[in-house]
Amino acid sequence: GAVVSQHPSRVICKSGTSVKIECRSLDFQATTMFWYRQFPKQSLMLMATSNEGSKATYEQGVEKDKFLINHASLTLSTLTVTSAHPEDSSFYICSARRDRGRDTQYFGPGTRLTVL
Amino acid sequence: KQEVTQIPAALSVPEGENLVLNCSFTDSAIYNLQWFRQDPGKGLTSLLLIQSSQREQTSGRLNASLDKSSGRSTLYIAASQPGDSATYLCAVEDDYKLSFGAGTTVTVRA
Repeated sequence: GAVVSQHPSRVICKSGTSVKIECRSLDFQATTMFWYRQFPKQSLMLMATSNEGSKATYEQGVEKDKFLINHASLTLSTLTVTSAHPEDSSFYICSARRDRGRDTQYFGPGTRLTVL
Repeated sequence: KQEVTQIPAALSVPEGENLVLNCSFTDSAIYNLQWFRQDPGKGLTSLLLIQSSQREQTSGRLNASLDKSSGRSTLYIAASQPGDSATYLCAVEDDYKLSFGAGTTVTVRA
């Protein structure tokens, strides 16, 4: 149990286009979902926390107008990278937890974004 | 702001040797600490979770200790195998969020 999927696993896009990444909890309801990005040989950096039905809470330095997060249902959160540029190329990982408290975070397999 | 450091950044050992991976964190007011494994280009696999009230956790060949007061955790992997080759990440939870270290990349030579 507690499986999280992401789609797509890889995406290549042209500079200036928008890209949407989906994160789904397959066998549980996720009240809270998290979005991370990871640059090569660096740690995961939390971008934002989203609670179902609420606006996402962004970490300091993350542009909310550039990284749009929607958590419209208890099993789906989306991250849209708007007007992507090469510096947005990264590995994006989502995680989900059942509640807003201390439940374990279950991680998705990640999405590799390459912006040309 | 919580800072998590992992030393060494990389480690190469012959098969059969025991592995010792270190993690330190700056703010001892944590709720728990987790060790994850990450294979290249893949997501995270949770290995061990230690609650702040615990001193250690064990799973098979893996043992993790936690000294919250000194801000340290150590992951021991006994009798390493080539399949243990991966990056190992340490993460601490406080304020309902996880803060990650940069990881230790382990190579076990056959």
